[in-house]
Formats: sequence, structure tokens, C-alpha cells
Amino acid sequence: SQTIHQWPATLVQPVGSPLSLECTVEGTSNPNLYWYRQAAGRGLQLLFYSVGIGQISSEVPQNLSASRPQDRQFILSSKKLLLSDSGFYLCAWTTDRGYNEQFFGPGTRLTVL
Amino acid sequence: AQSVTQPDIHITVSEGASLELRCNYSYGATPYLFWYVQSPGQGLQLLLKYFSGDTLVQGIKGFEAEFKRSQSSFNLRKPSVHWSDAAEYFCAVVPDTGRRALTFGSGTRLQVQP
Repeated sequence: SQTIHQWPATLVQPVGSPLSLECTVEGTSNPNLYWYRQAAGRGLQLLFYSVGIGQISSEVPQNLSASRPQDRQFILSSKKLLLSDSGFYLCAWTTDRGYNEQFFGPGTRLTVL
Repeated sequence: AQSVTQPDIHITVSEGASLELRCNYSYGATPYLFWYVQSPGQGLQLLLKYFSGDTLVQGIKGFEAEFKRSQSSFNLRKPSVHWSDAAEYFCAVVPDTGRRALTFGSGTRLQVQP
């Protein structure tokens, strides 16, 4: 069966520090991968999605970036965090057909101080 | 603009009462439709989905949803709410398979009173 992992589960970082959040999927190949952010009391905002290794589409201009170095690995990064980057970050995957349901990881709670 | 609307930010119901959470979308064609549930501090779990066919779909945990094309709606229902249903509920659509990503509504937080 397929599983999706995210780490760390929680993170507290100072403003201006770098960020690296990792997401890995097991039990499937060629998944579409997604990063969402959920700000407090708000819905989910799509940040990036990837349909293959090295292929990244950005939905929202910001100081975040994403990379997909391996088929089942998706990384969210920042060189310098802002206060507004605080939130709950969710990784998700779906089959390469794309219109099936997305499966979500447990999320990372990021607090920028 | 294309959007997904959940007009109720917060709903409180008594345990055992019926529940309906509203969702409307504004896309020209029929999108793929989903309902997800999120417990505090957790990821999202799929409750049900609609792609085509029967407009009344059954999901997990006793939930169902009805797609109404004329109203551009996909409301979630449960005949008898349990205390464990307290959570946040998100309606989502895949508006086109090219983008292959979900567009979410802003969510409805459900509280259940004993």
C-alpha cells in the first residue's frame, strides 16, 4: 500500500533562516506531487506541483521554492523565511492520471518567529 | 473567476442531529468534486468523490453528497452526527486535468454539542 511521509512534524525557525521540508511517497511510482500551505483559519493554497523529476510548477510567487530530485521525493525550501511563511504545510500525491483523489501527508507545522 | 465557495465558516449541531455542509463551484464544465475532512493538526482524509454517474455518492463514516448541476452545488450530508465528526471539512475540485491540482474551498468548521 502507498504511504506518504513528511518531516519534520513541527518546526520553529527565526525570521531570515533557511527552510527545508521533505516529503516522500512509498508504494507508487510516477506520482504527481503537491505542496499546499494552510494558514491559520484559512483554506489550503496550492504552492507547487510536480508531474515528474525536475519538473516544478509554481502557483504563487513567493520566497519559497520546490525541488524533486527523485521520483518519490519532493522538497520545499526557502533561503530566508518571512513571518508570513508560518502555517501548516501539506504534501500530497496522486496518480499520474491526475484526476483521482489526492492523498495527503500528516503535515508540518511551521512557526516563524 | 473560477472558485469554490463554502458559505458556512462555522456550524454547530447537536449530536444525533442531521448535518448539511454547503459547497458551490463556479466552473463552466462539471469538475471532479471531492470532500475532505481534517482533524486538528492532522492531514486531510478523503470522505467521498464525484466524477460522473449517479449524482448521489456515498462516502466513509456515513457521509453522502449530492451533485446538482443546475445549482453548481455538491453539498455534504449526514443523517445523524456523532461527536467524533467534529472537524474541519473542505470541498475541493479539480477544474481541469491539465493542472491536475485541487482547488479548495475555505472550509467549514463543525462543532458537535452533546
